[in-house]
Amino acid sequence: GENVEQHPSTLSVQEGDSAVIKCTYSDSASNYFPWYKQELGKRPQLIIDIRSNVGEKKDQRIAVTLNKTAKHFSLHITETQPEDSAVYFCAASRGNRDDKIIFGKGTRLHILP
Amino acid sequence: DAGVTQSPTHLIKTRGQQVTLRCSPKSGHDTVSWYQQALGQGPQFIFQYYEEEERQRGNFPDRFSGHQFPNYSSELNVNALLLGDSALYLCASSTLQGAHLKEQYFGPGTRLTVT
Repeated sequence: GENVEQHPSTLSVQEGDSAVIKCTYSDSASNYFPWYKQELGKRPQLIIDIRSNVGEKKDQRIAVTLNKTAKHFSLHITETQPEDSAVYFCAASRGNRDDKIIFGKGTRLHILP
Repeated sequence: DAGVTQSPTHLIKTRGQQVTLRCSPKSGHDTVSWYQQALGQGPQFIFQYYEEEERQRGNFPDRFSGHQFPNYSSELNVNALLLGDSALYLCASSTLQGAHLKEQYFGPGTRLTVT
């Protein structure tokens, strides 16, 4: 079945440095890749998403890159701040109504002062 | 404009009991998906509803069932509860934009504890 692998499971970076989280997916028909941020005790919130017709998308300090050939995509956070500390989930789907979104297991990001 | 709402926020049940969780989608959304999130794990897809029918289902037993109402709200029912059903149950809503499903918005979740 479909699978999304996410690495690392835990990541600690110094405030101001960059953080990179990587995901791979198994379903070659996947074409929609959202990223969610979940703070402790709160709901997952969409922070950025990308569709397979582009290779990169950026929104302020957050960027996502996609390599469809290799079936992997990555989240890049630059100039990290304390409020970036959370669990981040990548996900993949075919993007149609009749398709489920498969999530990775998450990356706990710690921003060190 | 209300976002996705869920009720109740917390629930404690004993093994063998049945539970019903409720979800109201974000205004303008007609598709509802349910997820189970165990502690320290990513959300696991349970099923998706639109036009009052189950459209997609993840790897969950028949003890998990659902329903969608004409106003797009949805219920998740779990029968014969097991200890392993303890988790955060998340509802997410979305709608179509052209041929593609727009981004999903999650509700706050229902924390179910089975003792």
